[in-house]
Amino acid sequence: EVQLVESGGGLVKPGGSLRVSCAASGFTFTNAWMSWVRQAPGKGLEWVGRIKSKTDGGTTDYAAPVKGRFTISRDDSKNMLFLQMNSLKTEDTAVYYCTSQYDWVFDDWGQGTLVTVSS
Amino acid sequence: NFMLTQPHSVSESPGKTVTISCTRSSGSIASKYVQWYQQRPGSSPRTVIYEDNQRPSGVPDRFSGSIDSSSNSASLTISGLKTEDEADYYCQSYDSSNYVFGTGTKVTVL
Repeated sequence: EVQLVESGGGLVKPGGSLRVSCAASGFTFTNAWMSWVRQAPGKGLEWVGRIKSKTDGGTTDYAAPVKGRFTISRDDSKNMLFLQMNSLKTEDTAVYYCTSQYDWVFDDWGQGTLVTVSS
Repeated sequence: NFMLTQPHSVSESPGKTVTISCTRSSGSIASKYVQWYQQRPGSSPRTVIYEDNQRPSGVPDRFSGSIDSSSNSASLTISGLKTEDEADYYCQSYDSSNYVFGTGTKVTVL
């Protein structure tokens, strides 16, 4: 059974930093492309960024609102995905979901972790 | 970049059929695959349609997807509505290395 479990969310002040994590199991993480998708309270889904598998280059792409502030990384030895968020803004407040991605499809989703940016 | 626009909400009685549209603002809807995700209240999203009209295993055949190039839109049709279908539905497509979700549609089963 595929499991994606996010952790690390919390309250952070504007301008601050936070790293959220995703523990993956039940599939071959090494071969998977992984994405982060967020959902602001009461709002829709927004793609944040993606990291390819190392065999496909391990490269990252980001949505325009977070480019230059957020960094996605992975530790294949531990089946872990990370999202480092710097220079946080109030509009970054959202539930952050970790997803496995196959081509253009967001396949399995975690339960999400809430990040609140507020003074 | 492009946008995907959906109606804000639709409602229908149990047993009836609803269709949700998803209109692409620029670029051809047929140029890249469209996916549909269901998000029940308090839950994470799950895929109900991928690659325009394919159903993942476990998704009932009451769910179907289609593409209409003339209106540059995709559609999700749910037939034989059940109360368990009450949820938010999002279309999704992509362009280069950018992935876009639709604005979302709330389906209410009266």
